[in-house]
Amino acid sequence: AQTVTQSQPEMSVQEAETVTLSCTYDTSESDYYLFWYKQPPSRQMILVIRQEAYKQQNATENRFSVNFQKAAKSFSLKISDSQLGDAAMYFCAVDYAGGTSYGKLTFGQGTILTVHP
Amino acid sequence: DTEVTQTPKHLVMGMTNKKSLKCEQHMGHRAMYWYKQKAKKPPELMFVYSYEKLSINESVPSRFSPECPNSSLLNLHLHALQPEDSALYLCASSPGEVISEQYFGPGTRLTVT
Repeated sequence: AQTVTQSQPEMSVQEAETVTLSCTYDTSESDYYLFWYKQPPSRQMILVIRQEAYKQQNATENRFSVNFQKAAKSFSLKISDSQLGDAAMYFCAVDYAGGTSYGKLTFGQGTILTVHP
Repeated sequence: DTEVTQTPKHLVMGMTNKKSLKCEQHMGHRAMYWYKQKAKKPPELMFVYSYEKLSINESVPSRFSPECPNSSLLNLHLHALQPEDSALYLCASSPGEVISEQYFGPGTRLTVT
């Protein structure tokens, strides 16, 4: 079984500033993927960034980057130059490679991010 | 086309009604999912279809009945629902490789009266 913990129910940031969302997970598997998903209010859930556990290099996607600490089972998301459009619920998720042809995401409880102008 | 579509956007139904939710993707994905999401909570997995076969049923009550007519289409048939079934129902798809990200649809907001 896997668990994902997001310890910050809510976070806020000023526009143009940087914010970091925390995520820790627990899994006994060696092969897995980690994801951050964003769900704006009343809008679609979209993938922000993914990290393969076997890769040491931290993933980056434009203003979004992760700090992946495999030994500590930590996977935080850093948003640089925050924009009003970044306001959303952010979910951290892990997907275990169980030898099947589909995924089974385990989600954290989410962090609501507010961006102040 | 990197889109998962869901219809209807909103649905209000009585406890004795029968209705269906529809999900469609044209990305050639071979795995499709139904989730239930309550407000400010993470999605809860309900069903997974892989190559048009039901692979996971997360102990969902029989008043929810999934169907996968073909590789692009996923339905969720609803019957005799309870008010506590009111939620956002999300559909997602993924390519069908061992690990790959899931693409989510916009959801159907269901209200059971």
